[in-house]
Amino acid sequence: EVQLVESGGGLVQPGGSLRLSCAGSGFTISSYWMHWVRQAPGKGLVWVSRINSDGSSTRNADSVKGRFTISRDSAKNTLYLQMNSLRVEDTAVYYCARGGRFLEWWGQGTIVTVSS
Amino acid sequence: QSALTQPASVSGSPGQSITISCTGTSSDVGGYNFVSWYQQHPGKAPKLMIYDVSNRPSGVSNRFSGSKSGNTASLTISGLQAEDEADYYCSSYTISTTSFGGGTKLTVL
Repeated sequence: EVQLVESGGGLVQPGGSLRLSCAGSGFTISSYWMHWVRQAPGKGLVWVSRINSDGSSTRNADSVKGRFTISRDSAKNTLYLQMNSLRVEDTAVYYCARGGRFLEWWGQGTIVTVSS
Repeated sequence: QSALTQPASVSGSPGQSITISCTGTSSDVGGYNFVSWYQQHPGKAPKLMIYDVSNRPSGVSNRFSGSKSGNTASLTISGLQAEDEADYYCSSYTISTTSFGGGTKLTVL
């Protein structure tokens, strides 16, 4: 069974850093495109970042360019999102999802709160 | 501001049909047949309902259907049921980005 489990969320001060993890099971992460999507409290889904199946291409939303980096570790079958220079407006539930043109499997999310 | 425009809310009675629109541009919705739709119940992760404009994943009810005309994609739910009450999001894939609509809250009266 395909499963995605996010971790690494928490409370961080503005300007701080956090690394989110997304552990995959039931499939090999390096064989699929993977995405990060976030949802601020009471708001809609916002796409954040994606990586293609061979890791040669990544794309980021303009709002996180230069601050967030998506990567993966094939040996650990885990996707990451390194988040630097965090802002209050980055506060959200962060979901990882499997898929290319469409997101077919989603994790349950991890909460990131940026506050002083 | 979302890249794709959806109505904030729609409603319908059980058994009726409703349609949710998703308007983009010729650079996203209009230029590619890569529109997908997601259902999200409160406190839950989104669930894929439609991909590539009109295809249903295995296990999704055939009451859900998708279409596209020009720069506007649509999700139609027929035979509304109480369990369909949720938020619905469209999404568009292009070679350079992925984007979501602002979401539509469906209320089953």
